[in-house]
Amino acid sequence: NAGVTQTPKFRILKIGQSMTLQCTQDMNHNYMYWYRQDPGMGLKLIYYSVGAGITDKGEVPNGYNVSRSTTEDFPLRLELAAPSQTSVYFCASTFGTGDSPLHFGNGTRLTVT
Amino acid sequence: AQSVTQLGSHVSVSEGALVLLRCNYSSSVPPYLFWYVQYPNQGLQLLLKYTTGATLVKGINGFEAEFKKSETSFHLTKPSAHMSDAAEYFCAVINAGNNRKLIWGLGTSLAVNP
Repeated sequence: NAGVTQTPKFRILKIGQSMTLQCTQDMNHNYMYWYRQDPGMGLKLIYYSVGAGITDKGEVPNGYNVSRSTTEDFPLRLELAAPSQTSVYFCASTFGTGDSPLHFGNGTRLTVT
Repeated sequence: AQSVTQLGSHVSVSEGALVLLRCNYSSSVPPYLFWYVQYPNQGLQLLLKYTTGATLVKGINGFEAEFKKSETSFHLTKPSAHMSDAAEYFCAVINAGNNRKLIWGLGTSLAVNP
């Protein structure tokens, strides 16, 4: 099993550009999440999904969009990149039953200049 | 609202010394509790978790944590630190029926000195 795979690992964007962060999991997990991590700020939830076709906002959704057309994939879209979106982005997934833990990807480090 | 507090954003210990990372939570119902570790340039991975039953939970790499309901705490310990333990540690809590949204602490960065 590959687990949770995120691409790309690194990206530099100019202000106003758009991009999609890819996330795929091969564990047949129902629940998937996007977090951003900034130094000293812990993890902030951007969007999450409880199954294909169902998504919902987290704490910091502004400037981002998601879709969940399949169980495996949960891409995160940045439409008009801003310097405030410079961060490390993590995708995670879980079965969503009982105490099942989250499985994380290795992250995408995004810089917006 | 639920919350998680990790006391000390930075902890430094000597190699071979006791590691103690503190986590307190607020929850109106019995929670599930987790500790995750993040090594440099990697994602988070599960260290251990508490659900029900035994209050002393053993995890990977020699870590353990004790759930104390009366103190609403879930502190992480390791008897003897290794250099390889240097990492960021996160405590998290979840309640059933919350769309599996974990509430995260801000993390504690552990440095291990030779």
